[in-house]
Amino acid sequence: DGGITQSPKYLFRKEGQNVTLSCEQNLNHDAMYWYRQDPGQGLRLIYYSQIVNDFQKGDIAEGYSVSREKKESFPLTVTSAQKNPTAFYLCASSIAVRDRLYEQYFGPGTRLTVT
Amino acid sequence: AQSVTQLDSHVSVSEGTPVLLRCNYSSSYSPSLFWYVQHPNKGLQLLLKYTSAATLVKGINGFEAEFKKSETSFHLTKPSAHMSDAAEYFCVVSEGGKLQFGAGTQVVVTP
Repeated sequence: DGGITQSPKYLFRKEGQNVTLSCEQNLNHDAMYWYRQDPGQGLRLIYYSQIVNDFQKGDIAEGYSVSREKKESFPLTVTSAQKNPTAFYLCASSIAVRDRLYEQYFGPGTRLTVT
Repeated sequence: AQSVTQLDSHVSVSEGTPVLLRCNYSSSYSPSLFWYVQHPNKGLQLLLKYTSAATLVKGINGFEAEFKKSETSFHLTKPSAHMSDAAEYFCVVSEGGKLQFGAGTQVVVTP
């Protein structure tokens, strides 16, 4: 099956700890994205990557970091600097970033709870 | 700059009756527009997309949407709601490949 996997589905952390969310795709897509979803606010872009070893900040990058060492993988680290980390995190991929024609495919999401 | 407004945060329909979800957009260029559906605690699934071909777009599960440039609208419809249509729906505009999401419309389907 082709698609995007995210793990784990649920994640619990104590305040002050960094945590890394996994995202893997086998669609051979160049572009990958991380979004944060909060109730009533739609999705907001955290980071995106057009190609291996390159990534760009989205609208709400503060307190987050990413890496893109392999085409298939785009992990997101939520650092202790992120003031309100509890949220539902969605990873997506598309054929290319700079083309409005291509839709994004989404993973099943990771729900992070920080207490 | 692009933006999307979903005019209803909640819509309640009876099973078997039509569904209408309203979306207005603003865009500097000729946009691509999408509707996605999200069931609870799941990722988003593409319902349909408009990319400047036919203005009436048919999607999965009986949904369709009409692009009206003069009204800057892209409303989503379905003739007959099913219980499985209960979910959150997002209207999305794309310029240069970056997506701007609406706030979402929660659809409730009653028997």
